[in-house]
Amino acid sequence: QSVLTQPPSVSAAPGQKVTISCSGSSSNIGNNYVSWYQQLPGTAPKLLIYENNKRPSGIPDRFSGSKSGTSATLGITGLQTGDEADYYCGTWDSSLSGGVFGGGTKLTVL
Amino acid sequence: EVQLVESGGGLVKPGGSLRLSCAASGFTFSSYSMNWVRQAPGKGLEWVSSISSSSSYIYYADSVKGRFTISRDNAKNSLYLQMNSLRAEDTAVYYCARGSWYSFRFDPWGQGTLVTVSS
Repeated sequence: QSVLTQPPSVSAAPGQKVTISCSGSSSNIGNNYVSWYQQLPGTAPKLLIYENNKRPSGIPDRFSGSKSGTSATLGITGLQTGDEADYYCGTWDSSLSGGVFGGGTKLTVL
Repeated sequence: EVQLVESGGGLVKPGGSLRLSCAASGFTFSSYSMNWVRQAPGKGLEWVSSISSSSSYIYYADSVKGRFTISRDNAKNSLYLQMNSLRAEDTAVYYCARGSWYSFRFDPWGQGTLVTVSS
C-alpha cells in the first residue's frame, strides 16, 4: 500500500479534460514539493510537473499541477491518444526521511 | 545531450549480490544529487536511495536499508548501487535519475536495468 493515494484509473474522451488526484499527509505533500511523472508503456518515467506546478521545458501547457494542503492534482486538457500512460505523483516524506510515490494512475483516452 | 545509462543487472540467486552502475554524460555530474528508483514487474515506482553531490547526504528506503549501498565517483561521472542479501522481492527494473531528493525533481531518468532474484 502506497503512502500517497491515487485513483487506479481514469478515462476520458479525446479533447476532453481529466484530473488525477494524489492524497498524502502533513509529513509528505503537506510540507514538501510534489512532482508528477508520466510513464508511457515500456519506457522510463518522464518528469511532467515539479515543485507542485512548474513544467520542465518541452512539456506542453496542457499539463498542469496544483497543491492544496495534503493533496495534489494533475490536470490534463485537450486529451490525445498519445497521453495514454501511467501517471505517478511523488514527494519527499520528512518523517520517513525518504521518497514516496503514489501507486500510479492509468489514463485511458477512449 | 543529458544521458544516464544503467548497467549491471541480471539474474542472481536469493542471498546473492549485484552492483549496478549508472554512467552519466552531458552535464556536470558532480553538481547534482542522484537517485535510484525501482519498479517491480507490473507494479508502481518505488524510491530506493538518494545521494547528494558530494556524498555528504545519503538516504535509503526502509526496504533496502542495511542491504544496499549507494555511492558515486564524480571523477568517473558514475553512480553505483551495491545490492547484497538480495531477495525475490528485490526483482525489478532499477532506474537512476538525476535530481535533488528534497524537491523530488528527478530528470532525466535512465532506461533502466532489470534485476531478477530467483533460484
